[in-house]
Amino acid sequence: GQQLNQSPQSMFIQEGEDVSMNCTSSSIFNTWLWYKQDPGEGPVLLIALYKAGELTSNGRLTAQFGITRKDSFLNISASIPSDVGIYFCAGQRPGGDMRFGAGTRLTVKP
Amino acid sequence: GAVVSQHPSWVICKSGTSVKIECRSLDFQATTMFWYRQFPKQSLMLMATSNEGSKATYEQGVEKDKFLINHASLTLSTLTVTSAHPEDSSFYICSAGTDFAEAFFGQGTRLTVV
Repeated sequence: GQQLNQSPQSMFIQEGEDVSMNCTSSSIFNTWLWYKQDPGEGPVLLIALYKAGELTSNGRLTAQFGITRKDSFLNISASIPSDVGIYFCAGQRPGGDMRFGAGTRLTVKP
Repeated sequence: GAVVSQHPSWVICKSGTSVKIECRSLDFQATTMFWYRQFPKQSLMLMATSNEGSKATYEQGVEKDKFLINHASLTLSTLTVTSAHPEDSSFYICSAGTDFAEAFFGQGTRLTVV
């Protein structure tokens, strides 16, 4: 299925640093979602965005729904070791059909 | 968030046999369920979308006769991998949702075909 363009593919950062990742698409989505996946587990929803321009925070996480509805970014501030994992963006169309980015693999060094 | 339960978490089967994976929405009625496949270090690839009481819609390149999907109720969908082969070994994940809300994922099923 059609995938979104997510970058970067991987990041190696020091504990305490901020992280930023983004997703772009050639298609418009009604909802943008950010998930985190730990090894051997299903993705867990972090943040859902429903309106173009919306900026939403969840603790140290902040995400924005791009004005054009074709992009979104996720920021993680003051990273900690348990932030390690793979982060996926997803665009959702009416009816629930979701398309995923390739993922950003985050490594946090203590 | 809502709870989606997937069973089994892992399964090992012999080549040529069939395996059934269940996906249940425990605390809500899911109008739509999705089945994904994930290879190591890769993203989730949508295999098919199923709506309760109707035939599943398969993505291009996914064999519907090999990956049988049944969505008999608003809380249960099943994926049956028929005549499994080693190349079918993968991580299979379901998600369940309603038309106007985000979907929630099961914990995934790791299938190993030997």
